[in-house]
Order: sequence, then structure tokens, then C-alpha cells
Amino acid sequence: AQSVTQPDIHITVSEGASLELRCNYSYGATPYLFWYVQSPGQGLQLLLKYFSGDTLVQGIKGFEAEFKRSQSSFNLRKPSVHWSDAAEYFCAVGPNDYKLSFGAGTTVTVRA
Amino acid sequence: DTGVSQDPRHKITKRGQNVTFRCDPISEHNRLYWYRQTLGQGPEFLTYFQNEAQLEKSRLLSDRFSAERPKGSFSTLEIQRTEQGDSAMYLCASTVPGRQQNTEAFFGQGTRLTVV
Repeated sequence: AQSVTQPDIHITVSEGASLELRCNYSYGATPYLFWYVQSPGQGLQLLLKYFSGDTLVQGIKGFEAEFKRSQSSFNLRKPSVHWSDAAEYFCAVGPNDYKLSFGAGTTVTVRA
Repeated sequence: DTGVSQDPRHKITKRGQNVTFRCDPISEHNRLYWYRQTLGQGPEFLTYFQNEAQLEKSRLLSDRFSAERPKGSFSTLEIQRTEQGDSAMYLCASTVPGRQQNTEAFFGQGTRLTVV
């Protein structure tokens, strides 16, 4: 069985501050891991994905994520957030296709 | 190409009515996925197609749910005898087959269903 836990339902961060979103997964084999962002009225957009190799993955919009097998984690980070980063963020895990299991999401609020 | 298109964007229906949603994938994307997203939750996989073949439907929520992709292009998701618990956002995604590290699934904006 595959599952994802995002422990933080809501995070508030000041513009220009760093951001870290937590993701823990459960998967029986080598996981394929993803981070998606969903803005109001918009579809899910892929930020980055991890399959193998370098455990630090770079994505779009200045985001990066680090895969830690020992901790079953795939946390998302951004050094300096912009007001436009306010959105809902989803971590997902899946096999070698897009039948993904998503976490419940973390809502990010950016304050001026 | 404007991406994955879903129609309608919003649907309000009375309990017990049937509803049908349409998804037009990105052209040449022969894999198409349906997900459901309830309030406060992440998307939940329902079913997917490669061309016109439905490769998995065991995750459809009940026998009231069915999906088709008759010509391998657009797809429809039908819910019969809707219940209030069916109220959710229904998302469609498409991709080309291949090694996942070389592909990306593109999601539509979804159809929001409200059952009253």
C-alpha cells in the first residue's frame, strides 16, 4: 500500500522568509515522489519529481526537495517566498505511472 | 494547445440525478486519468485509460461511477443516482506513456460537483 502524510495543514510565512513543507510517505518499493501546487481555480501544477539519483531535486519557481530514504521523507523547501507562492501544496507518491496517492495538502499563506 | 480541458467547470445537481463530465486531454496524450478531490483532501485516483482501453477501474468508488473513452480522445465520467457524498472536484489528467521520469501528467482545472 502507498500513502502520504503531510503533517502541516496550514503554514503562514512572511514574504522573503524561507519555507519548508514536510512530507512522509509509505511505499513498498522504490518510490516515485512528486510535489504539486494548486492555486485557487487552477489545476495542479508539477513543481518537481524524484525517481532516483541525486537526493536533492530542483524544481520550478525556485523550489527544491530532498529525498531521505531513512526517514521516508521528501520535504519541499524554498529559500525566499514570494506572495505568489500562496497556494496549496500536495506531496504524492506512485509506481511507474501516474496512479498517484496524494497527501491531504498544506495551505501556505504569505504575509507581507 | 491549451492544455487539459474539462467541462463543465461547475455542476449543481439534485440528489438522485445522473451527471456526466467531459475531459479533453492534450492532443497526442494517449493516457488519461480521473481523480476525485474532496474538500480538505488531496486528489484520489479513480481510473485511467490508455487510448480507448480502460486499464484500471477497481478504484472507482461504486458501481454508480463509470468512465469511457470511446475513440481514445476525450473521456467522460458519469455518476448515476448522485448522492450528497459525491460532492467534490473531479480532476482529469493526461500524459504520454513512457518512463515516468521523462513524462509529466498535466491536470485540468476540474469539474466541481455540488449535490443538493
